[in-house]
Amino acid sequence: DGGITQSPKYLFRKEGQNVTLSCEQNLNHDAMYWYRQDPGQGLRLIYYSQIVNDFQKGDIAEGYSVSREKKESFPLTVTSAQKNPTAFYLCASSKGLAGSTDTQYFGPGTRLTVL
Amino acid sequence: AQSVTQPDIHITVSEGASLELRCNYSYGATPYLFWYVQSPGQGLQLLLKYFSGDTLVQGIKGFEAEFKRSQSSFNLRKPSVHWSDAAEYFCAVGRSGGYNKLIFGAGTRLAVHP
Repeated sequence: DGGITQSPKYLFRKEGQNVTLSCEQNLNHDAMYWYRQDPGQGLRLIYYSQIVNDFQKGDIAEGYSVSREKKESFPLTVTSAQKNPTAFYLCASSKGLAGSTDTQYFGPGTRLTVL
Repeated sequence: AQSVTQPDIHITVSEGASLELRCNYSYGATPYLFWYVQSPGQGLQLLLKYFSGDTLVQGIKGFEAEFKRSQSSFNLRKPSVHWSDAAEYFCAVGRSGGYNKLIFGAGTRLAVHP
């Protein structure tokens, strides 16, 4: 059963701590993405990766870091430098067909709360 | 710059009534357009997409959307709403060529009265 998994579903962090959100996909997709969702707002892109060992900043990358060591995995670290990290985080993936139609599919999300 | 506007933050309809959710985009070239649905605390599910061709697009769960270039719109419709359609709906535009960056609207929250 192919899809995108995110863990944990809920995550609590104390001020000053780094936390890592997991995202795994078994769709054999090349491209992966991290979005942040705040109430009443659309999704905003944090980071994206079009291929293994390569990633680029999105619109709101400050205070976040990522790695892409494996095709199926794209973990997101929320660092202590992120001023307001409480949000719902969504991971997505797509075939990554540059210059062509491409559709992003989303995981179930992780809700991060800073205590 | 690209942008997506969903003018209605909240919409309430009665079960069985018809539904239209509005989406307007700003993009100079041919847009790729998407509608996603999100149930509370869940990820986004793709309802339908428009890349080219027939401007009336059929999606899952009985939804359809019509691309109108002259109005820069991609409104989502359903002839008869079910209580299970209560959710938040997001319109998104993607640029053609190169990396597929999606720009999302702020969403429309749909409530369904019995």
